[in-house]
Amino acid sequence: QLHLQESGPGLVQPSEPLSLICSASGGSISTSYYNWAWIRQTPGKGLEWIGSISYTGSTYISPSLKSRVTMSVDTARNQFSLTLTSVTAADTGVYYCASVRLNRFQLWGQGTRVTVSS
Amino acid sequence: DIVLTQTPLSSVVSLGQPASISCRSSQSPVHSDGHIYLSWLHQRPGQPPRLLIYEISNRFSEVPERFSGSGAGTYFTLTISSVEAEDVGIYYCMQASGFPTFGQGTKLEIK
Repeated sequence: QLHLQESGPGLVQPSEPLSLICSASGGSISTSYYNWAWIRQTPGKGLEWIGSISYTGSTYISPSLKSRVTMSVDTARNQFSLTLTSVTAADTGVYYCASVRLNRFQLWGQGTRVTVSS
Repeated sequence: DIVLTQTPLSSVVSLGQPASISCRSSQSPVHSDGHIYLSWLHQRPGQPPRLLIYEISNRFSEVPERFSGSGAGTYFTLTISSVEAEDVGIYYCMQASGFPTFGQGTKLEIK
């Protein structure tokens, strides 16, 4: 049974980059059947899709965040990651990773809370 | 972006009674492959969202039969035939036919 777990710093200084990792267990991310997504839930915008990545590294990123987002995949570690640069208080929220098959957001991690504050 | 608007924003229902949530899309969420990737998610307090319904009307694995989805064009509905205590939380519609977007959520409470 696939399980996803997010990890990250919890607290990030304004203007600094935010880096998160999603670790998969109980299944491999190296499959063409799935894409791997990041979604966040913020007080200001509710649920917001950040972007998705395939195991080959092809990315699809929200146009509104594209200038600040980098996503990568590490198949050897069975992980994928998100970096969001130049964070502000508006980036405070809970960040989720999820598996996506046939455009269904099937399995979500528990989420990691990120606070942007000095 | 496709904007999804849910109604109502909150609902209080007695146990055993039906509940219905609507989701209106700003444009038809038809993918270039012809499918309509309109889903419904459920989020309990302190938990991540969980997929209930995909492609308008298909129940995801282990989702109880009391949950059903329907709709066409730009109007979609989630129906719970007989609400149980575990159904409390927030329900979201989402579309993944274009860049994925979510509705603002509908909070379901038990009377």
